Amino acid sequence: GAVVSQHPSRVICKSGTSVKIECRSLDFQATTMFWYRQFPKQSLMLMATSNEGSKATYEQGVEKDKFLINHASLTLSTLTVTSAHPEDSSFYICSAQDKDYGYTFGSGTRLTVV
Amino acid sequence: RKEVEQDPGPFNVPEGATVAFNCTYSNSASQSFFWYRQDCRKEPKLLMSVYSSGNEDGRFTAQLNRASQYISLLIRDSKLSDSATYLCVVIQYSSASKIIFGSGTRLSIRP
Repeated sequence: GAVVSQHPSRVICKSGTSVKIECRSLDFQATTMFWYRQFPKQSLMLMATSNEGSKATYEQGVEKDKFLINHASLTLSTLTVTSAHPEDSSFYICSAQDKDYGYTFGSGTRLTVV
Repeated sequence: RKEVEQDPGPFNVPEGATVAFNCTYSNSASQSFFWYRQDCRKEPKLLMSVYSSGNEDGRFTAQLNRASQYISLLIRDSKLSDSATYLCVVIQYSSASKIIFGSGTRLSIRP
């Protein structure tokens, strides 16, 4: 089946620094990838939809200048959390759509900003 | 009103029991439905798709009722390993896909 690889799985960074999270579709091409954030004991919240070769579509309330999304190829989307603050600490997860397998999730990235 | 609402839980049932969750959705344009399972601090994993005709996978049965706009998940002969959070997922297709997650129902199976 379809596999989505997400890295890193865990990252701790200092407040004010930037962190890049990668999401790769390993055996299929994903024209659309989705980025979610999950706070403790809450559901996944869609942050943005990433389309290959075009600008990402952000959900209401998500700062596009803070959460930079790049989908430069059909197999790679990146999310960069810029100038991270402790309140950005969360579980970030991507998913990609494959026409045969539907939606597949990455393994997630636990970000801790100290 | 939330677009997708789930039973709040938590459900705490003995091993071997049958347990059912419901999930309602408000947008009739919703076209695809899934149940995901999420273990603590892990990513959600697809449990099963949900079809109008209903589908069964071992001890798990999923049902879709388009008229009443809800989906259900039934777990028979529950095992300790079934303890997890179950998320219902609704996908709407228009000019672009929109994936909406329910808030999840926490299930705890006790020995």
